[in-house]
This record gives sequence, C-alpha cells and structure tokens, in this order.
Amino acid sequence: QKEVEQNSGPLSVPEGAIASLNCTYSDRGSQSFFWYRQYSGKSPELIMSIYSNGDKEDGRFTAQLNKASQYVSLLIRDSQPSDSATYLCAVDNTDKLIFGTGTRLQVFP
Amino acid sequence: DTAVSQTPKYLVTQMGNDKSIKCEQNLGHDTMYWYKQDSKKFLKIMFSYNNKELIINETVPNRFSPKSPDKAHLNLHINSLELGDSAVYFCASSQELLLFYEQYFGPGTRLTVT
Repeated sequence: QKEVEQNSGPLSVPEGAIASLNCTYSDRGSQSFFWYRQYSGKSPELIMSIYSNGDKEDGRFTAQLNKASQYVSLLIRDSQPSDSATYLCAVDNTDKLIFGTGTRLQVFP
Repeated sequence: DTAVSQTPKYLVTQMGNDKSIKCEQNLGHDTMYWYKQDSKKFLKIMFSYNNKELIINETVPNRFSPKSPDKAHLNLHINSLELGDSAVYFCASSQELLLFYEQYFGPGTRLTVT
C-alpha cells in the first residue's frame, strides 16, 4: 500500500475556475503536511504547509487537513495557465518526508 | 543569491564510471538531504545529514556515498554507475531535522548513464 496517494491526473480546469487537488496518507502519526509545485524540468517549490486540522489560506491557495480521515487537499482559486504544473503532496514519516507521485494540473485559457 | 545550489546541472557518463554531485546551501540550515526522482517523477529520499552527521540512509546501494564536509555542503559520490542510476538528483535543506521544518530544494542534477 502506498504511503501517500494522489491521483496522477491530468486534472484539466478552465482559467478562472477552482482546482481541487487531493491526497491521502497512511501513517496516522504524521503531523506535517506540505504541498510542492513542480514545473516540468524544474525542482519542487514549496507552496503550502499545514500542521493542524482545518483550513489554511495563502493568497489563491488554501490547504485543508483532516487527520481523522487522513486526507489533505489543496484548492487553487482563480486558476491561471501559469498554475499548470505537477503538485506533489508530502507527509512526514518520523524523520523524513514521503512524497506522493503528484497530480498534473492543466489550466486552459 | 541562490539558496540551494547544485553542480553540475547535467551529467552524462558511461556505465562503470565514478561521478560526484555537489550541493551547497546558504540558508544557514542544519539539515541537508539527497533525493532521487525517477522517470515517473517519483521523489524518494536517499540520505539526510544533520550538522554533518548521517541521519537517514534509505536502503541505497553502497555505491552511493554522501559526504558532508560542513553543514552548508553535502556531496554525493557514486561509484560504478549503472543504467538504473539515471534520474534527477535533488539536494534539499531544512532549518532542522523535520518534523515541522520546511524543505527547500536545489535545481537538480540530471544524471544520464549510457
């Protein structure tokens, strides 16, 4: 069983829409959750971190965490073509991060 | 003013050769990591160092040997390169060894073994 699961996509949304990216994890002891954005040929870039249940908003991005359901999501409001990238969910596992395989997001004009 | 830098950016070499990748961070972080990203984009940790001390060694072949001369540098030496070593290798750093500390990645080194 994969430790961090994401739908590989692609998730296609029109410009201006809300993109919803989901991630589930298996380790109930995990306490830190991160979303990274990776453009093709580039390195992962941290965009959100969340540590407690509920929502955390930063600009157009909102991270949501539900530890009981072992579920973390990322909402991107007013999606732009420049948001087109692969989004990696990462979850702590004791002393390391476990990454999901990423969801490819495509925002079309 | 790069926070985490790696050299070289591209590395093309033949099977059996030995090569090194260098990483430096100027963030003042205590912890550094090496990750491997395969062709399917799966990102997996290989090693972590905290203040020059090896903390994580994730079932990586002995041909891979990390070295941390100081807490701002973490190098990766690979002996007897194999075709399966072809991947993108990322260095990363964080203020301290997890739990809550965010990791920042270098630009990556694309290794191609022919």
